Amino acid sequence: KQEVTQIPAALSVPEGENLVLNCSFTDSAIYNLQWFRQDPGKGLTSLLLIQSSQREQTSGRLNASLDKSSGRSTLYIAASQPGDSATYLCAVIIGGSSNTGKLIFGQGTTLQVKP
Amino acid sequence: EAGVAQSPRYKIIEKRQSVAFWCNPISGHATLYWYQQILGQGPKLLIQFQNNGVVDDSQLPKDRFSAERLKGVDSTLKIQPAKLEDSAVYLCASSIRTSGISYNEQFFGPGTRLTVL
Repeated sequence: KQEVTQIPAALSVPEGENLVLNCSFTDSAIYNLQWFRQDPGKGLTSLLLIQSSQREQTSGRLNASLDKSSGRSTLYIAASQPGDSATYLCAVIIGGSSNTGKLIFGQGTTLQVKP
Repeated sequence: EAGVAQSPRYKIIEKRQSVAFWCNPISGHATLYWYQQILGQGPKLLIQFQNNGVVDDSQLPKDRFSAERLKGVDSTLKIQPAKLEDSAVYLCASSIRTSGISYNEQFFGPGTRLTVL
């Protein structure tokens, strides 16, 4: 059974700091991995999607890496800003034709960036 | 392009009452998902539709939850009777299609926050 874990559960940093959020998964047979952002009272916004054959994806100040063999992904946020304050969720889709494409989520990391 | 629409945004009911949530996916998206997100946890899939057929409902508490997508477009999720532990955010998502070898990106609606007293 695939399990996704995110560490830390909460993180508080001063503005301008570079930071790393961690995600680990127990079964390396994934189809892809996706990072989401969730603001209070809002739905999920997709940040980055990494296919299983890829090692990383970048979008602006965000960079996500994937190491399937070790079951790990990291989300790197450069020069953090107060507007980055949100909960960040990692999710995987299990690979294989018998799977349906459902996302399996970690519990999230709540980030606070202080001005 | 319009996103995934959900209503209502908030609902407060007493235990043992019934409640229904509505979702309108992105136009042309064949696959629709309902997720439940309990406070402090990541979302968990309740049910997945491909057009109007159920693909996965293995984690749906079928004694009290039901869902339908009659015309392959809009969907409703119902809880009857509600329990305290059903308090959560119910998220709807859609994707263009899902096949055994190709999974498309899921787009999420704003969610419905349910409080059961």
